[in-house]
Amino acid sequence: QVQLVESGGGVVQPGGSLRLSCAASGFTFSDYGMHWVRLPPGKGLEWVAVVSPLGTSQVYVDSVKGRFTISRDNSKNTVYLQMTSLRPEDTALYYCAKEVGDFTGLNDWGQGTMVIVSS
Amino acid sequence: QSALTQPPSASGSLGQSVTISCTGTSSDVGGYNYVSWYQQHPGKAPKLIIYDVTKRPSGVPDRFSGSKSGNTASLTVSGLQAEDETDYYCSSYAGRTYVFGTATKVTVL
Repeated sequence: QVQLVESGGGVVQPGGSLRLSCAASGFTFSDYGMHWVRLPPGKGLEWVAVVSPLGTSQVYVDSVKGRFTISRDNSKNTVYLQMTSLRPEDTALYYCAKEVGDFTGLNDWGQGTMVIVSS
Repeated sequence: QSALTQPPSASGSLGQSVTISCTGTSSDVGGYNYVSWYQQHPGKAPKLIIYDVTKRPSGVPDRFSGSKSGNTASLTVSGLQAEDETDYYCSSYAGRTYVFGTATKVTVL
């Protein structure tokens, strides 16, 4: 069955960087777009970014543009989120998720990795 | 990229129905038939229960149904069960980006 396992979260100071990884298994990874979605403490879900199946297209929410980079390595069945210039408001549980198809719902999710931005 | 608007809370009696609204704009909900609904229990990952406005993933009971009219989408949960008490989010494609709703906590009375 589909499995998504995130890693790389932790505590970082404002202005710092982190790289999140999401290892996928149980499906043909290169056939699906992959997303990152975050859940800040006490708040609601926020969509962060998507990368196309072959990694040729990336789209971001405005609040992370220029600071975050989503990428994928289809030979390793892994999607990444490189986060730089981190701010306290980036503190959240970060999930990776697989889409059902283009533009549509996210039917498989990892358990998330926590990122805390604090001095 | 403003969040879609959902009521903070909704409730219904055991066995009855509850409907949750999700209001966006012509740039998201009203512009595309790509509205999804997610159920999230505390400490768990979100679970997709409706996609493409009305479709249910395999394994999701037909007690869950979706619809859309104009810029507002709706999720109806019929035959409410105790395990339905949790948070629900809508989401929509918004032309390259995606946007989630503000979450609705459903209480089963």
